Amino acid sequence: GQQVMQIPQYQHVQEGEDFTTYCNSSTTLSNIQWYKQRPGGHPVFLIQLVKSGEVKKQKRLTFQFGEAKKNSSLHITATQTTDVGTYFCAGPDNQFYFGTGTSLTVIP
Amino acid sequence: KAGVTQTPRYLIKTRGQQVTLSCSPISGHRSVSWYQQTPGQGLQFLFEYFSETQRNKGNFPGRFSGRQFSNSRSEMNVSTLELGDSALYLCASSLQGYNEQFFGPGTRLTVL
Repeated sequence: GQQVMQIPQYQHVQEGEDFTTYCNSSTTLSNIQWYKQRPGGHPVFLIQLVKSGEVKKQKRLTFQFGEAKKNSSLHITATQTTDVGTYFCAGPDNQFYFGTGTSLTVIP
Repeated sequence: KAGVTQTPRYLIKTRGQQVTLSCSPISGHRSVSWYQQTPGQGLQFLFEYFSETQRNKGNFPGRFSGRQFSNSRSEMNVSTLELGDSALYLCASSLQGYNEQFFGPGTRLTVL
């Protein structure tokens, strides 16, 4: 079956440093979505990318969808303590596949 | 607009028992999906219902079942509970399936 892997699994950064998580799917995706889950919370939708090579920005967050529509990345510039949480990518096939997640810790 | 609600929020059961979890989607959302979240396996898709029909099902045993009512509210049932069923069960609603998913707070199930 389809697999969606994310790396790294964990990332600790000093506040102000940049952070990137990478998402790789074993199959081509029609779209990719990103979610953030704060500790003790539930996943919250961040963004959806649909087009090959698409890049979208939300303030300090930059999302990219690969040309082959099999990979994606999320980059956070100058991390803040409010960025703490686990970031998941997710994509639909015959079901909805979530990536393995990247847990971000920001050290003040 | 009210968000997705799930009841109960916490549940403790013993092995062999069964459990029913409930999810009320955002008004107007016809798709409800269920996920199991565990530290070791991450977020795993259980099933998706749309207009009272199960459209997709994940790789879970038949002990896991669900249904959706005409008002889009959904329930999932787990029979003959096992220790490994301990998890956070999340439901998510969306307008039409695999668009932006709005998650509820989850039900934390502990099986002793």
